[in-house]
Amino acid sequence: DTEVTQTPKHLVMGMTNKKSLKCEQHMGHRAMYWYKQKAKKPPELMFVYSYEKLSINESVPSRFSPECPNSSLLNLHLHALQPEDSALYLCASSRGLAGLSSYNEQFFGPGTRLTVL
Amino acid sequence: KNQVEQSPQSLIILEGKNCTLQCNYTVSPFSNLRWYKQDTGRGPVSLTIMTFSENTKSNGRYTATLDADTKQSSLHITASQLSDSASYICVVISGSGGYQKVTFGTGTKLQVIP
Repeated sequence: DTEVTQTPKHLVMGMTNKKSLKCEQHMGHRAMYWYKQKAKKPPELMFVYSYEKLSINESVPSRFSPECPNSSLLNLHLHALQPEDSALYLCASSRGLAGLSSYNEQFFGPGTRLTVL
Repeated sequence: KNQVEQSPQSLIILEGKNCTLQCNYTVSPFSNLRWYKQDTGRGPVSLTIMTFSENTKSNGRYTATLDADTKQSSLHITASQLSDSASYICVVISGSGGYQKVTFGTGTKLQVIP
């Protein structure tokens, strides 16, 4: 199984809502990532988890709260978002932290399309 | 500052034709370079990963080249198909030991028309 799954595929929420994005992989990967991608732009790294511990937070606003309950799951909790947070949110995983070796490929999920009204 | 620039920004070609996408980078120290294909609204899918010592690597109709001296890479698509329509992203991994920085290029949007 070389797949990263994300749910939901689409999410529409108001600025006062609380919602969560979910990501799952069963490849035994120990590094998991959240990226945000705006239209026609490359993905921007948000968070990196390594061995279920948060290792990178790219100065993301606190209205985004990541959680890694176990080595296969990664959540992104959303609260009080702004319309400008509307984007495609991508989850990725890799055996170890990206780039440690050329074999450390990142596998991306299909993304969750988030719209904040 | 680590940068990855791609050209052209967009490209339209006829089905069956070949095309070449370019990637120039300034990241240092270089670890490896990856090309991804991303369909609209989907996650990127890896096409190739190239290390410093590799000049050419193929994956079906996709052939990537790397010139580490000039810090340039290209992705050549042979006999294009309609399904090749997508954005192609060049990603450079830099650093050594520990966490290495991942720098994404701005992408080339390819449209293959019948």
